[in-house]
Amino acid sequence: LAKTTQPISMDSYEGQEVNITCSHNNIATNDYITWYQQFPSQGPRFIIQGYKTKVTNEVASLFIPADRKSSTLSLPRVSLSDTAVYYCLVEGYYGGATNKLIFGTGTLLAVQP
Amino acid sequence: GAVVSQHPSWVICKSGTSVKIECRSLDFQATTMFWYRQFPKQSLMLMATSNEGSKATYEQGVEKDKFLINHASLTLSTLTVTSAHPEDSSFYICSARDPRDSSYEQYFGPGTRLTVT
Repeated sequence: LAKTTQPISMDSYEGQEVNITCSHNNIATNDYITWYQQFPSQGPRFIIQGYKTKVTNEVASLFIPADRKSSTLSLPRVSLSDTAVYYCLVEGYYGGATNKLIFGTGTLLAVQP
Repeated sequence: GAVVSQHPSWVICKSGTSVKIECRSLDFQATTMFWYRQFPKQSLMLMATSNEGSKATYEQGVEKDKFLINHASLTLSTLTVTSAHPEDSSFYICSARDPRDSSYEQYFGPGTRLTVT
């Protein structure tokens, strides 16, 4: 069974850039990588998704190397409200249907003033 | 963005009873919904994929007779935990994709906290 691993926790200060890496050595050709943010006792919220190279949106960037065995979520200039657990998700599709949904172990990001 | 709701947000039940959790897509139709379970300080684990009008697909190790899933309409899926026991206490979360989205983004419900006493 494919394992998707992340650092358990990270600390940062307001205004800093934070990079969280996810390892997914067994990623398959049809798999996408998605990152979610989760606050306590809430459902996860979508941050960004990619397949390869670099993707950027208004809140984050996602870097995926050529071998796609890892990915890095980059959060620019974090604030206190970014304190949360961040999950990477490897999801695969075949024939138009989802055939794999594996969440990473999660990284608790603590942002301090 | 699309909205997914869950009801109830929390429930306490006695051991041996059954509990039903509802998951609704409020502003889109979802042919597929996903049910997850999350224990404290752990990641989300996919339990099953709920397909409208057909049987759910359960992940390995998830008892289909204990966790009954019904996806009777394009906006509602239900998860019934039958003969609940304290070890079933967990945070249950559903999600769905909006077919109008070009991405594979999942929209998650707010979750249901189940406590079995």
